[in-house]
Amino acid sequence: DVKVTQSSRYLVKRTGEKVFLECVQDMDHENMFWYRQDPGLGLRLIYFSYDVKMKEKGDIPEGYSVSREKKERFSLILESASTNQTSMYLCASRGQGWETQYFGPGTRLLVL
Amino acid sequence: AQSVTQPDIHITVSEGASLELRCNYSYGATPYLFWYVQSPGQGLQLLLKYFSGDTLVQGIKGFEAEFKRSQSSFNLRKPSVHWSDAAEYFCAVGVWQAGTALIFGKGTTLSVSS
Repeated sequence: DVKVTQSSRYLVKRTGEKVFLECVQDMDHENMFWYRQDPGLGLRLIYFSYDVKMKEKGDIPEGYSVSREKKERFSLILESASTNQTSMYLCASRGQGWETQYFGPGTRLLVL
Repeated sequence: AQSVTQPDIHITVSEGASLELRCNYSYGATPYLFWYVQSPGQGLQLLLKYFSGDTLVQGIKGFEAEFKRSQSSFNLRKPSVHWSDAAEYFCAVGVWQAGTALIFGKGTTLSVSS
């Protein structure tokens, strides 16, 4: 059974803190993605990676960075969390081409 | 720029009635199109996808979708809705952007009344 796991389901942080969201997939997928989901805005792509150490900006990369040192792990970093980054964050992975994209359960982040 | 529009924010359908959720895309090349469902408190699950060939595609849970190039549409349908179909539905288009990524619409929330 395929699996994408995210390190936390719920997270509460203070404004200005550095926040790490971790995502791990066990399917040996090349592609990994970070989205944020907000009511009325759907899923918006933050960053994605198509190979180890490779990354590409999505539609809303401002205020975020990513790291992919190993194929199975893709981290989203909020360098200095702000209240407008309160959201649900979804990680996803996909193999080559247009195979099925699998999503993790999400991390609900609250920045106070 | 590529985009996906789901015109209906919220739809309510009676149990047993038919369903159609609308999706329009904007993409210059041949699109790869997807429908995902997100049940309350759950992750996203792929319902079906269109790459090429037959424009009517069948998915899981009794769903189907029809690709119409002339209308830039990929509408999702189900002949008879069940209460368990209440969820949020997302249409997505696959784009090439120095790598391949899915761009999602804003979603349509489906409520099912008894």
